[in-house]
Amino acid sequence: AQKVTQAQTEISVVEKEDVTLDCVYETRDTTYYLFWYKQPPSGELVFLIRRNSFDEQNEISGRYSWNFQKSTSSFNFTITASQVVDSAVYFCALSEENNDMRFGAGTRLTVKP
Amino acid sequence: DVKVTQSSRYLVKRTGEKVFLECVQDMDHENMFWYRQDPGLGLRLIYFSYDVKMKEKGDIPEGYSVSREKKERFSLILESASTNQTSMYLCASSTWAAGDTDTQYFGPGTRLTVL
Repeated sequence: AQKVTQAQTEISVVEKEDVTLDCVYETRDTTYYLFWYKQPPSGELVFLIRRNSFDEQNEISGRYSWNFQKSTSSFNFTITASQVVDSAVYFCALSEENNDMRFGAGTRLTVKP
Repeated sequence: DVKVTQSSRYLVKRTGEKVFLECVQDMDHENMFWYRQDPGLGLRLIYFSYDVKMKEKGDIPEGYSVSREKKERFSLILESASTNQTSMYLCASSTWAAGDTDTQYFGPGTRLTVL
C-alpha cells in the first residue's frame, strides 16, 4: 500500500523567510499522482498542485514552487518570501491508479509577522 | 470552479442519535468521498462512491453508512452517534476526466460534536 511521510510536524518562520515542506512517498506503481493541499484555519482543504509520475519538471507558481524527484521519492514544496497568510496546515498526498488517495499527517506552518 | 458544499459547518448531537451529513457537488463528478480528520491522525477515508447507488468501504467504515441516490449528492449516516465520532468530517469529489484525474476537491467540512 502506498504511504506518504511528512516528517515535519510543525514549522515556524518569520515573515519573508523561505520555507520548504518535505514530503516523501512510497508506492509500487509506476503511474501515480502527487498532490499538495493547504488547510487554512477555516478548515477547507484547498487544492494547490497535482503532478503525475511521468512529469518530473519542477513547477513554480508565484511564491510557490515544487521539486519532484523520483530518485529520492520526494515531492517538496517551497514557499519563497513567506507571508502571514501562508500560515496553515499543508498536506502532501499520493494517489495510485485506483483513485485511492493517501495523505501525509500534515505540516503546520506558522508565519510570524 | 468546482464547488463542494456540506450541509452544516458545526453540528452538536447527543449519543444514540441518528446523524445525517450531506454533501453536494456541482461539477458532475463521478466520484465522491467522506473522510474524518482528527488531530495527529490526519485524514482517514470512511467511504467512497464511484457511481450512483454504488459505495465502497474505506479504512474506517465501522459505525457509518452512506447513501448516493443522485450523482451530485453523497450522504454520510451515523446510525447511532457515539462520543468517539466527534470529529471534523470532510467530503470530496473527483472526476475521471483526463488532466484532472484523481484530484479531489473538498468541501468546507462539518465539525461534529457528540455529547
